[in-house]
Amino acid sequence: QKEVEQDPGPLSVPEGAIVSLNCTYSNSAFQYFMWYRQYSRKGPELLMYTYSSGNKEDGRFTAQVDKSSKYISLFIRDSQPSDSATYLCAMSRSGGSYIPTFGRGTSLIVHP
Amino acid sequence: GAVVSQHPSWVICKSGTSVKIECRSLDFQATTMFWYRQFPKQSLMLMATSNEGSKATYEQGVEKDKFLINHASLTLSTLTVTSAHPEDSSFYICSARDSGLGSGYTFGSGTRLTVV
Repeated sequence: QKEVEQDPGPLSVPEGAIVSLNCTYSNSAFQYFMWYRQYSRKGPELLMYTYSSGNKEDGRFTAQVDKSSKYISLFIRDSQPSDSATYLCAMSRSGGSYIPTFGRGTSLIVHP
Repeated sequence: GAVVSQHPSWVICKSGTSVKIECRSLDFQATTMFWYRQFPKQSLMLMATSNEGSKATYEQGVEKDKFLINHASLTLSTLTVTSAHPEDSSFYICSARDSGLGSGYTFGSGTRLTVV
């Protein structure tokens, strides 16, 4: 079992839809949780980062962390074609090394 | 925000030659930088941790003599793919952590290497 599991998709939705992207993990030591967006042939761009459990909102994006279930989510409201990209979750341990462990990414397609 | 510049963005080289990729932190100092490799539709695979002024730390299975890393200053790390072969063709990405952003890492734009 991989430390971080993420469905690669693709996930195809119509413009304006609410998108839900998810990751599960097995290591209870993870404390920091991140979501990155990666366009084709580009480096990942940090979208959201959260510490421990809870919700965090930034514009159309909401990140949720449920440590009891080892499950994290990223919600995108009013999705746009420009949101079409691969979304990678990442997480790291507290203290010591902060090197994140990445999921394989979910390909999102928002069609007009 | 933190910016990491990576060059070149793409390179084509002949088999047997060496290629150098540069990674610079533009507005912050990075004592540690990271080099990743990414295959199509796959996640980022950490290759090595680049430490300023000391030897890099390589992940298991990564040939340190093939992938030479130099971190000579607080803002520059280089990855040299030596004696490149077609199987080295991939997308290489560097990243660094700006402590002001908590645990979030900033990535370079990546380098697509094609060995022919």
